[in-house]
Amino acid sequence: AQSVTQLDSQVPVFEEAPVELRCNYSSSVSVYLFWYVQYPNQGLQLLLKYLSGSTLVKGINGFEAEFNKSQTSFHLRKPSVHISDTAEYFCAVSETSNTGKLIFGQGTTLQVKP
Amino acid sequence: EADIYQTPRYLVIGTGKKITLECSQTMGHDKMYWYQQDPGMELHLIHYSYGVNSTEKGDLSSESTVSRIRTEHFPLTLESARPSHTSQYLCASSVRWGTGSSHEQFFGPGTRLTVL
Repeated sequence: AQSVTQLDSQVPVFEEAPVELRCNYSSSVSVYLFWYVQYPNQGLQLLLKYLSGSTLVKGINGFEAEFNKSQTSFHLRKPSVHISDTAEYFCAVSETSNTGKLIFGQGTTLQVKP
Repeated sequence: EADIYQTPRYLVIGTGKKITLECSQTMGHDKMYWYQQDPGMELHLIHYSYGVNSTEKGDLSSESTVSRIRTEHFPLTLESARPSHTSQYLCASSVRWGTGSSHEQFFGPGTRLTVL
């Protein structure tokens, strides 16, 4: 069975500082990996995804993530955050062979302070 | 641009009422999903569908039911709402297997349900 662990429930950071949101997964088979963002009272929006190929994935809003197969991690990074990045971030995993079901992590609240 | 709609956005009702949460998508996606999300918590899959007349229970047990009579429409029904059903319900869809991005799910804005 798959599982996803987001290691930090809350990450406070000052505006223009770099940030890393950590995600580890567990699976016995190949996986696809995703990061979604959820703003208050809204649905989830895809930030980026890893399907295959380069392990460094660039997404929207200046975010990027690196897939590390040996450490089973998919950490999300941004070199300089803005107040508008304040939101809930979810890491998700899907087995490549299954029919598309996503398993989500518990979420990390990114709070950007002025 | 993803086009998936949910209505109502907010619903406050009394115990025992029957409710239907609507979800529609205009992308022609075969797969559709319903998630339940409590405030500040992860998403739990409660129902999914791989196409018309296909519905399956998700990983989290739910007293709700779903139907898929049309590709674009995936409503969720609670026959008798209770306070324990208070939560946010998110609908999502994705393309069929084999298109290369079949695992990416597009989400609606959610319905926040409060049962008094």
